[in-house]
Amino acid sequence: QVQLQESGPGLVKPSETLSLTCAVSDYSISSGYYWGWIRQPPGKGLEWLGSIYHSGTTYYNPSLKTPVTISLDSSKNQFSLKLTSVTAADTAVYFCARQGVNHYGSGLNFDYWGQGTLVTVSS
Amino acid sequence: EIVMTQSPATLSVSPGERATLSCRASQSVNSNLAWYQQKPGQAPRLLIYGASTRATAIPARFSGSASGTEFTLTISSLQSEDFAVYYCQQYAHWPLTFGGGTKVEIK
Repeated sequence: QVQLQESGPGLVKPSETLSLTCAVSDYSISSGYYWGWIRQPPGKGLEWLGSIYHSGTTYYNPSLKTPVTISLDSSKNQFSLKLTSVTAADTAVYFCARQGVNHYGSGLNFDYWGQGTLVTVSS
Repeated sequence: EIVMTQSPATLSVSPGERATLSCRASQSVNSNLAWYQQKPGQAPRLLIYGASTRATAIPARFSGSASGTEFTLTISSLQSEDFAVYYCQQYAHWPLTFGGGTKVEIK
């Protein structure tokens, strides 16, 4: 059973960088799959932020106002999210998730999710 | 970007009754659609992928269907644990997009 666990600061000041890490257990992230980040503002719906393939190829949501970077650390079996110059609009629960891949290399649905971590942007 | 539109926003259903949730894509996504269930304070749980294939351990009362760009999630007989918010998501094209959700509440 694949397990994912988000970690990072729960409070970030406006204009600073939000950094989160997702530790993966019982599966080597370098073996395959996409690995993604999704967020959910309080009381609202889900928003995909971006995904990274095990090879390092990344896809990001172009609708995001805040620049996003996702990276892999295979040695620690984890992947990370960075949002720079955050604002109050970036306050949300952030989820990491495993995303399936088909034989063409295209991303599929999310099958395993972390429990989520609330990040509040406030001074 | 493909826009996913879910309806209704809220569905009031009595336990034991049938619930029908809709999701419409702004352009073709073929069968590249998933449904998720989310309960308060929890992560979403995958219910359906490929528009109609139940994920592992999902009860048979959950079913998905598709007709063109219209997708339907049916819960044949609502159990108490099924009252939650349901989201559809397309994965045919980047960027991945979710619908706004349908809340299934107790009538």
